[in-house]
Amino acid sequence: QKEVEQNSGPLSVPEGAIASLNCTYSDRVSQSFFWYRQYSGKSPELIMSIYSNGDKEDGRFTAQLNKASQYVSLLIRDSQPSDSATYLCAADIYGNNRLAFGKGNQVVVIP
Amino acid sequence: DGGITQSPKYLFRKEGQNVTLSCEQNLNHDAMYWYRQDPGQGLRLIYYSQIVNDFQKGDIAEGYSVSREKKESFPLTVTSAQKNPTAFYLCASSPRTGEKLFFGSGTQLSVL
Repeated sequence: QKEVEQNSGPLSVPEGAIASLNCTYSDRVSQSFFWYRQYSGKSPELIMSIYSNGDKEDGRFTAQLNKASQYVSLLIRDSQPSDSATYLCAADIYGNNRLAFGKGNQVVVIP
Repeated sequence: DGGITQSPKYLFRKEGQNVTLSCEQNLNHDAMYWYRQDPGQGLRLIYYSQIVNDFQKGDIAEGYSVSREKKESFPLTVTSAQKNPTAFYLCASSPRTGEKLFFGSGTQLSVL
């Protein structure tokens, strides 16, 4: 079954540290990858999109894509308490440009 | 302001009742989606529509129905056949399928 997996449990990081999140996907045809941030009780908001192998940086966020190994990661540098949220990975794994989401990783930044 | 409006924010369903969740967008997006989110879980796709008057089932369509009579509107009906409807329902849109999604604020549906 085609899927997007985020297997890590809740991640606690001290303020100012780097938070690292990983996501694997099952289908090599995937071309588009996204990271969404979701605060409790709120809707997801897009923080990063990546389409090519390599790194993409946007402020304190860096997305890394490795299509050969079928994983995409998100690094949050200089973590702030406001980064405490659930981070959802999404990919177009079905080949018809329909996104599938992972279950999410909760990040807790400790002041 | 452009965006996606979902209503109501909270909805309660009695057993055997059908309820309809509203989703309206003024972003002129072609594609619209309905997702369901259970506590501690990711988003699961219920239905999606790429153009007016056309829609496709997602992964968990049983017990739900949709219509797409207008580009800006994509209402979701939770029918009595959906035996476990309690969840957070999210509507989203994108310029085309596969592009980044813009989400509404969600509807929390609970069973009385």
